[in-house]
Amino acid sequence: DVKVTQSSRYLVKRTGEKVFLECVQDMDHENMFWYRQDPGLGLRLIYFSYDVKMKEKGDIPEGYSVSREKKERFSLILESASTNQTSMYLCASKITSDRANEQYFGPGTRLTVT
Amino acid sequence: KQEVTQIPAALSVPEGENLVLNCSFTDSAIYNLQWFRQDPGKGLTSLLLIQSSQREQTSGRLNASLDKSSGRSTLYIAASQPGDSATYLCAPKNYGQNFVFGPGTRLSVLP
Repeated sequence: DVKVTQSSRYLVKRTGEKVFLECVQDMDHENMFWYRQDPGLGLRLIYFSYDVKMKEKGDIPEGYSVSREKKERFSLILESASTNQTSMYLCASKITSDRANEQYFGPGTRLTVT
Repeated sequence: KQEVTQIPAALSVPEGENLVLNCSFTDSAIYNLQWFRQDPGKGLTSLLLIQSSQREQTSGRLNASLDKSSGRSTLYIAASQPGDSATYLCAPKNYGQNFVFGPGTRLSVLP
């Protein structure tokens, strides 16, 4: 079974702190994604990566950056956390092919910025 | 830009009922469509992936249908159980694009 793990289930940080969210997948997937999920707004794509050291902006990249130094690991970085970044963060991975592929999600990290 | 709607937004049914969840999308040129389940406070679990060339995909009590030309997919749940209570999301995918997620249908199955 594909496994996508995220470093923390719950995280509480202070405004202005630098925050790292880690995601690891064990299926050698090329593509990895970071989403945030908010009530009434659904899932919104922050950043994604097609391969090691490659990154692309999603729909809401402002205030975030990412790092993909190894194929299995995709990190989301909040350079200076703000209260409006309080949210559920979801990581996902998939293979490159458009056909016969599924997107697999991690359990999520509930981040609270105070 | 692909836009996805799901109707109804919430549904409450007694145990044992068969039910249908609807997903509509504006750009019908999709490659595939994935249905997910999400339990409160958890990540998404993949239920079914239906290719653009398929009309139906089945897994246990779940059946997903796809009508590309009309921009619709339905998820049919047979003989619903309290354990089916969750939010169900659909996500169509166009070629060269990422999945776009609908807002979800929150399902409650009452014992």
